[in-house]
This record gives sequence, structure tokens and C-alpha cells, in this order.
Amino acid sequence: ILNVEQSPQSLHVQEGDSTNFTCSFPSSNFYALHWYRWETAKSPEALFVMTLNGDEKKKGRISATLNTKEGYSYLYIKGSQPEDSATYLCAPISGAGSYQLTFGKGTKLSVIP
Amino acid sequence: TAGITQAPTSQILAAGRSMTLRCTQDMRHNAMYWYRQDLGLGLRLIHYSNTAGTTGKGEVPDGYSVSRANTDDFPLTLASAVPSQTSVYFCASSSGTGSQPQHFGDGTRLSIL
Repeated sequence: ILNVEQSPQSLHVQEGDSTNFTCSFPSSNFYALHWYRWETAKSPEALFVMTLNGDEKKKGRISATLNTKEGYSYLYIKGSQPEDSATYLCAPISGAGSYQLTFGKGTKLSVIP
Repeated sequence: TAGITQAPTSQILAAGRSMTLRCTQDMRHNAMYWYRQDLGLGLRLIHYSNTAGTTGKGEVPDGYSVSRANTDDFPLTLASAVPSQTSVYFCASSSGTGSQPQHFGDGTRLSIL
């Protein structure tokens, strides 16, 4: 079981603000890092899967970076909107050929209109 | 497209009774997973299957069993339910490598009394 830390646990931002959160994971034997967005009363939805050190992925106003050597990933949201309110989960995979995700407890984002 | 279908949506079950949660996917994904979601603990892997005919234990397998007779179906069975198994259960699937995202069903809310 991997030790996955996400911070902050929760945050409130005003509409239009940009924000970012952190996912920390063991750097040894790294294979992939997943980010998911989980809205209340819905199921988790995949945002990104990142595998390469220095990788940066973008989807609309949301982007993510990856540092596999030091074991962290940042998720950025530019110009937050109320519809961005959700819990954002990261989940690393350790070991090539493994399919098993270990989810962090998430960062709960609330965007205030 | 259906994606992943879970049934039932919710269930109240008496302790000591058995219950099978159903999960069916129509994406021809090789890998399937069962997670439970508990407040403060996030998503935890119960069992997984990398391909039809194989299964493996996740982080919290005790009290649960699974089977994978074919590609599409991955039922989760509680042989003798206990109150600590009260949770929301999510089934997920992926195309079969750790670099591919997981797709989640809508969840089954199970209450054991």
C-alpha cells in the first residue's frame, strides 16, 4: 500500500481565482500517476494519466505537472468556476505492469460564486 | 453508451445475510476493480481482476469474494454481511494497463443493519 498525501484537504476559493493542490507519493518504482475529479453524488471521472518525469497535461482550464524523481504532482485550475467544485483525487501506480491504484484522500474544492 | 452498470443502486441488508453486487461493462476492458468509499478513508481497493479468469486481492479484501467468468461481468459477494461493510461500493474498469484511466460505475450504497 503506497503512502499518498494530498494537500490541502479542502479549500474555498472565489470564482475567478486560480488555485493549485499537491499530491505526494513514493518516488521509488514509479509507473504512473492518475488524477480524477469527483463531483458530489457522481462517480470519479478521469482527468489525466501521467507517466513521464516533467510531463505536463492540460484539459481546458485544468493542468497538471509531474515530478517522479521527488514524488509529487501539482494540479492547477485557472480562473475557477463554480462547476469546478469537486473533490480531486490523485492515485499513483507503483511497478510496471501493475494496474492497482492507491488513491489519496483527495482535495475538496469549493468555488464560491 | 452504457459504460459500466452497477446494480442495485442501493440496498439495506440485515447482518448475517449474503449479498451480491453486480457490475457489467460493455467496453471490452480487460481489467476490473471493486472499491469501497468510506468517510475519511477515501477509495480503497477490495479486489481486482486483470483479465477474465483471474482475480487478486486489494487493500481490504476480507469478507468479500469476486469472480470473473467473462470479460464483461465482475460480481462482488458478501457471504455474511457485517455492519462494518456499510459503505458505497464502486466498480471500475480499464483497458488493462496502468497508463490507461479507470472508468467508474455510479456506485451501490449498501447499509448493513
